[in-house]
Formats: sequence, structure tokens, C-alpha cells
Amino acid sequence: GAGVSQSPSNKVTEKGKDVELRCDPISGHTALYWYRQSLGQGLEFLIYFQGNSAPDKSGLPSDRFSAERTGGSVSTLTIQRTQQEDSAVYLCASSGGTSGIETQYFGPGTRLLVL
Amino acid sequence: QKEVEQDPGPLSVPEGAIVSLNCTYSNSAFQYFMWYRQYSRKGPELLMYTYSSGNKEDGRFTAQVDKSSKYISLFIRDSQPSDSATYLCAMNTGNQFYFGTGTSLTVIP
Repeated sequence: GAGVSQSPSNKVTEKGKDVELRCDPISGHTALYWYRQSLGQGLEFLIYFQGNSAPDKSGLPSDRFSAERTGGSVSTLTIQRTQQEDSAVYLCASSGGTSGIETQYFGPGTRLLVL
Repeated sequence: QKEVEQDPGPLSVPEGAIVSLNCTYSNSAFQYFMWYRQYSRKGPELLMYTYSSGNKEDGRFTAQVDKSSKYISLFIRDSQPSDSATYLCAMNTGNQFYFGTGTSLTVIP
């Protein structure tokens, strides 16, 4: 398929464990976004990658959250020492342009449950 | 005050009804205004986006923007059961996107 893919689709972990969430953007898309979606909340921006530029990390909620994008393609969002309030759906989106007005294509999300 | 406000609903209408979904916003710097549809356990899917005040039509969907009132709407004509989903409005300044909480819509056959 040519869409954005994310893995795993579901993740259950224990409080205090680290988790890694993966996003494969659409091939050739230069921009990649991570969002968090909690029940009853809108999409919360986490981090934005654009080409080889330094990422915009302004949305990361704490220093337990980090993300990297290797080779301008695949991205990994890491949450260290998970807390129960980290339980949410983590969505990745990619877009093809640099202006921010390009269509964002979303993946299906990773549903994270921290027990 | 949130950047974007959206009534979460839920909204339930009979098949064939006209549906009106709305968002208000506070930041006059927002450039583009988007509507996404999200089915259960799926990622959001872009329906439409607009730039200027006025209407934009695509099939049964019409997006309306009133920048003077900081108010946007999505109208769905002849609603179908397949339109049952959560609808999110979104807007951006450059690379920063702001989303509403979403309105849950159910179209009853």
C-alpha cells in the first residue's frame, strides 16, 4: 500500500517501561508529524520533521518523549518510563510539501495502553 | 481559551438530512481551514480545505469560512449512513496545525 503505516497497531505496557512506536510515511514525503489523540481531546501536536531541518519539538509533553527520523523516512517515537496518562492513540502523518498547507495523510495510529 | 473550539456532539440525524458542523477559533493568523473525517479505529482522512472566506463545494460537502467571525462550517447534504464518523476541523499557521476535538455524527437509516 502507498499510505502511511504505523506499528504496532496496539501496545499494552506496564507503567515504567519504555515503548517505541514506528511510522513509515508515504515515500517521498518530506514532512512528518506525530500527534497524540486522547478520548474527548483533539489531536495534540507532538513533533514535526521537515527534510533535514532540525525538528520542531515544541509539542513534546515532557523529556520522557523523544523522536527521531532516520534517513528522512522512517520515524520512531520513544516514550521512556511510561505513565498511565500516556495512554492514548499516537498518530503519524506525512505530507509532501514544505509550506504546511499540503494535505496531511494520517496513518491508522498506535493505541497505547499503560497499565 | 483553546485555539479551536468544536462541539463534540454527539449528533444524530435521519438519513437524507442536512448536517451542519461548526468550529470557532481565536487566532486571526490561521491560514488554511480543513475538515477531516475519522472512522472508528482509523486515522483522520482529509475531506476538504479552504483558504479564504466563502464557500467551497465538493459533491455533497460544502465548507464555509467566515474569517470576520472566526467561524467555519461543514455542511453535508443528503446525509448517508456511511457518513457516520467523527468530523474534525483543523487550521494552521505555517507548519503548526490545530485541531478541534471532533464532532461525532451518526446518520440513522
